[in-house]
Amino acid sequence: DVKVTQSSRYLVKRTGEKVFLECVQDMDHENMFWYRQDPGLGLRLIYFSYDVKMKEKGDIPEGYSVSREKKERFSLILESASTNQTSMYLCASFSDNEQFFGPGTRLTVL
Amino acid sequence: EDKVVQSPLSLVVHEGDTVTLNCSYEVTNFRSLLWYKQEKKAPTFLFMLTSSGIEKKSGRLSSILDKKELFSILNITATQTGDSAIYLCAVGPMEYGNKLVFGAGTILRVKS
Repeated sequence: DVKVTQSSRYLVKRTGEKVFLECVQDMDHENMFWYRQDPGLGLRLIYFSYDVKMKEKGDIPEGYSVSREKKERFSLILESASTNQTSMYLCASFSDNEQFFGPGTRLTVL
Repeated sequence: EDKVVQSPLSLVVHEGDTVTLNCSYEVTNFRSLLWYKQEKKAPTFLFMLTSSGIEKKSGRLSSILDKKELFSILNITATQTGDSAIYLCAVGPMEYGNKLVFGAGTILRVKS
């Protein structure tokens, strides 16, 4: 079974803090994605990566950056967290026309 | 701009009812449409549809795609309380990177 893991299930941070969300997949997938999910808005793509050290902006990249130094790991970085970044963050990897999601990180920024 | 619209936004039914969830889309260079079920955790894959008119079926769930009218439906027959979830529709355009565009989801609640 494909496994996508995320470093934290719940996270509480203060405004202005730097936040790292880690995602690891164990199936050698090239494509990895970061989404945020908010009620009534569905999943919105923040960034994706189609190879090591390659990244592309999604629909809402502002306030975020990413890092893909190794194929299995895709990190989402909030340089200076703000309250409007309180959300559920979902990582996914992609293979054979199917996206496999991680369990999600519920981030609260106070 | 690529767009996926799901309806209804939410739905409450009784056990045993049949429900139909709708997904319409506007995507350049359509490749595939996917349905996911999301309970209190990450979405889980249900179906992928690429061809019009071919029904995909899994137990009480079925789905079909109409590429001419740009929509898909997800049917659930003889609903059970365990079907309560958010159902997400996503469309994959023909772009490098296999991006998916998601709809807002339909919240289904099945009452016993």
